[in-house]
Amino acid sequence: QVQLQESGPGLVKPSQTLSLTCTVSGGSISSGGYYWSWIRQPAGKGLEWIGRIYTSGNINYDPSLRGRVSMSIDTSKNQFSLRLSSVTAADTAVYFCARVSGYCTDTSCYPYFDYWGQGALVTVSS
Amino acid sequence: DIQMTQSPSFLSASVGDRVTITCRASQSIFTYLNWYQQKPGKAPKLLIYAAFSLQSGVPSRFSGSGSGTDFTLTISSLQPEDFATYYCQQSYSNPITFGQGTRLEIK
Repeated sequence: QVQLQESGPGLVKPSQTLSLTCTVSGGSISSGGYYWSWIRQPAGKGLEWIGRIYTSGNINYDPSLRGRVSMSIDTSKNQFSLRLSSVTAADTAVYFCARVSGYCTDTSCYPYFDYWGQGALVTVSS
Repeated sequence: DIQMTQSPSFLSASVGDRVTITCRASQSIFTYLNWYQQKPGKAPKLLIYAAFSLQSGVPSRFSGSGSGTDFTLTISSLQPEDFATYYCQQSYSNPITFGQGTRLEIK
C-alpha cells in the first residue's frame, strides 16, 4: 500500500521560503511511471493545484505561481519536495502531496490523483 | 485555464435519497474528469476517474457520467458516511483545476 507523508515547518514568516518534503513509502518513487504532485487548500476553501514532477525531471507548475515555486525529487530517499518563495498570508494553507496515476487506453491516458498525504498545515505569519 | 463550476455549492439531503452533483467545464475536456470526496480534516479520496470509471473499493452507489463540458456525479442512495464535500477536477490540460466544491449535508 503506497503511503505519502508531508513534513516541514508549520510556520513561515512573510517574504521567506516555504519548504515541504513528501516521503513516499510502500513503493519506489522512480518506478511505475508516475508523476508526483503538490496541491494546497486554504482554510475553508477549495483545492488548488501547485504543480507536478516526474522522476526524469520533467516539471509543470501552475502559471500563477511560476517564479516563486520549485520542485525537486530525490529518488535515493524516495522523496519529492516543494519550495515556495516570497510567501504571504495568502499562501497559508494545508499542503497535500499526491501521486498522479492514470487510466490508459490505446489512444489516451486519463490522469488522476490516487494516493494523497494527510496534509500539512503551513501558516505564514510574523 | 479551464474553469470548473459545480452546482449546487451546498446540498441538504436525507439518508436514502438519490442526489446528483453537476460539474461544468469552460471548454471541452472530453472525459478527462475526476471526482473526489473530502471529509473534514482529511485528504480528498478518489471516487470516479475518466468521467465514469469507479475507483477500486468505492461503493457502486457512486456513479459518474458526462463528456465534453457537462458532467454529473450521482449517489443512488445516500448513506451516513457520504455526507462530505465533493470536488470535480479536470486533467485535460495544465494547470489542473478543481471545481469549487459541493458540500453535502444531512437534512
